[in-house]
Amino acid sequence: AQKITQTQPGMFVQEKEAVTLDCTYDTSDPSYGLFWYKQPSSGEMIFLIYQGSYDQQNATEGRYSLNFQKARKSANLVISASQLGDSAMYFCAMREYFQGAQKLVFGQGTRLTINP
Amino acid sequence: DTEVTQTPKHLVMGMTNKKSLKCEQHMGHRAMYWYKQKAKKPPELMFVYSYEKLSINESVPSRFSPECPNSSLLNLHLHALQPEDSALYLCASSQVSRNTEAFFGQGTRLTVV
Repeated sequence: AQKITQTQPGMFVQEKEAVTLDCTYDTSDPSYGLFWYKQPSSGEMIFLIYQGSYDQQNATEGRYSLNFQKARKSANLVISASQLGDSAMYFCAMREYFQGAQKLVFGQGTRLTINP
Repeated sequence: DTEVTQTPKHLVMGMTNKKSLKCEQHMGHRAMYWYKQKAKKPPELMFVYSYEKLSINESVPSRFSPECPNSSLLNLHLHALQPEDSALYLCASSQVSRNTEAFFGQGTRLTVV
């Protein structure tokens, strides 16, 4: 079974600073995908960025980038120039395949607070 | 259109009530999911439908009954729930192919009294 670990329950960052949210994973599947989602207090899960196990380059989406270190099995999310609106819960997730279907397995999450 | 729409947004129900949660998407996705999320916890998978057929049931109690009437709709029928079933229920959809992102709805905040 796959496992996702986020070791930072909470982080506090000053506005405009960069922040790195940690995520490590464990899987025996050579083909896998890693996802980051943002969950504001409103509850919806917002997709941020995706990294495939065979991707040669780190994924980037605007202010979000993924620091993918395959040998270390880590997929850290980097948010550059943080904004007050970045305050939310952040989940790292991995797609797992089971009985011909797929399911998303989430880490415990990191609550990010951006201070003005 | 990358929206997954869930109704209602909030629901309060008694333990003897029968209610349904609804989820709709028009992205042509053939995989749809129900997740349950308790406060300060990650979402936990309940059910997966692939091509309108139930593919995964994560040992969910029978008081939760999913239904996928067509490729755009997903329902979750609720009956005789317990107070501990109070949670945020999230619906999601994705392509069936490997490693594509899932899109989530805003969720239904359910309170069982």
